[in-house]
Amino acid sequence: TQLLEQSPQFLSIQEGENLTVYCNSSSVFSSLQWYRQEPGEGPVLLVTVVTGGEVKKLKRLTFQFGDARKDSSLHITAAQPGDTGLYLCAGARRNTPLVFGKGTRLSVIA
Amino acid sequence: DAGVIQSPRHEVTEMGQEVTLRCKPISGHNSLFWYRQTMMRGLELLIYFNNNVPIDDSGMPEDRFSAKMPNASFSTLKIQPSEPRDSAVYFCASSFAGGVEGYTFGSGTRLTVV
Repeated sequence: TQLLEQSPQFLSIQEGENLTVYCNSSSVFSSLQWYRQEPGEGPVLLVTVVTGGEVKKLKRLTFQFGDARKDSSLHITAAQPGDTGLYLCAGARRNTPLVFGKGTRLSVIA
Repeated sequence: DAGVIQSPRHEVTEMGQEVTLRCKPISGHNSLFWYRQTMMRGLELLIYFNNNVPIDDSGMPEDRFSAKMPNASFSTLKIQPSEPRDSAVYFCASSFAGGVEGYTFGSGTRLTVV
């Protein structure tokens, strides 16, 4: 069983649309990280959320950590082709490696 | 810093051959991780090191897989003998202890075993 479930698995949208992807777990994490991975490259860290209920914004990207620190969401406003990629969430617990979800593969069509 | 450096970028080998993947972590990072990524299973942690010491290798699929970190600036992942089901992208990542500041990944090695 996957500790972190991401949904949807695949998402194809038109440029300018808004979207939200989700990362859910039955476990509590001390923090949660979001990464974006482009073809042929490794994942790159976008943001870390630490406090339950925390909201962080990175330009058109808004990240939220659930109050119970078990889930998170990523909202993209006015998506652009440059947002295309695999979005991975990763949960952190004290003294253990990150646990990654399988990711949401986003395609933004011009 | 040039980031985490992995070599080779691509490797095609025949079943039964030995394969060695290499990784140079970011200077100053004291944790190093080896992951394998496939469409079916996503990113799977194979093994990780803290201060060059292997901490948990429970993700290594079989005895055919082994990893070493002889010093703070170099690690290898070896598969001997390789099998077609080992075909995947293998990533090395490094971080400061605890990983709170996130992991820095290399560009990966795409392994194809035919």
